Amino acid sequence: DSGVTQTPKHLITATGQRVTLRCSPRSGDLSVYWYQQSLDQGLQFLIQYYNGEERAKGNILERFSAQQFPDLHSELNLSSLELGDSALYFCASSVAGAHTDTQYFGPGTRLTVL
Amino acid sequence: GDSVTQMEGPVTLSEEAFLTINCTYTATGYPSLFWYVQYPGEGLQLLLKATKADDKGSNKGFEATYRKETTSFHLEKGSVQVSDSAVYFCALKNAGNNRKLIWGLGTSLAVNP
Repeated sequence: DSGVTQTPKHLITATGQRVTLRCSPRSGDLSVYWYQQSLDQGLQFLIQYYNGEERAKGNILERFSAQQFPDLHSELNLSSLELGDSALYFCASSVAGAHTDTQYFGPGTRLTVL
Repeated sequence: GDSVTQMEGPVTLSEEAFLTINCTYTATGYPSLFWYVQYPGEGLQLLLKATKADDKGSNKGFEATYRKETTSFHLEKGSVQVSDSAVYFCALKNAGNNRKLIWGLGTSLAVNP
């Protein structure tokens, strides 16, 4: 158990819909990262937050957005869903954001878009 | 840009065999290097890491040495078990690259009894 929690574990929805994925980092970690894992593209970094502020952006679509709240939990919002958005979405946390920091991963949310 | 290349799988071994999964990287500066493991149906777990040249990361019988001269971070284990069956990901994180993890494509390992 990494200490990072994600809800829900599974999500099935239809194209065009909007969903929210939630992540609670390990106690004491200030940085949260979101990743997408799909069969055709592997693991892709989406976005990072540090202490409530966006720190880095990766391959995140404009239909996707995220935020980190004062209690440090984070939400990833996916809208106008397409079939290709079906994937495993992982959240990770680290103490700060230094390149030597270890990122600890949650169990993931499996999103299926029908 | 920075990148990670892993040997393609799947790798199939018998129990107690020696394992090597090759990982090489391209990066500017001095990245930190990581191996993560993903067991079936689970999330990613850090297996080991090394943050500077010649460092050796080790955990659960797995080892990897950060070789700057060959830009490699090969994963090894002397005697694999059935429970080691998983997908192994090599990754790097560079101070100059927004500190995001850059991943290899993963190598699937199946260990047969």
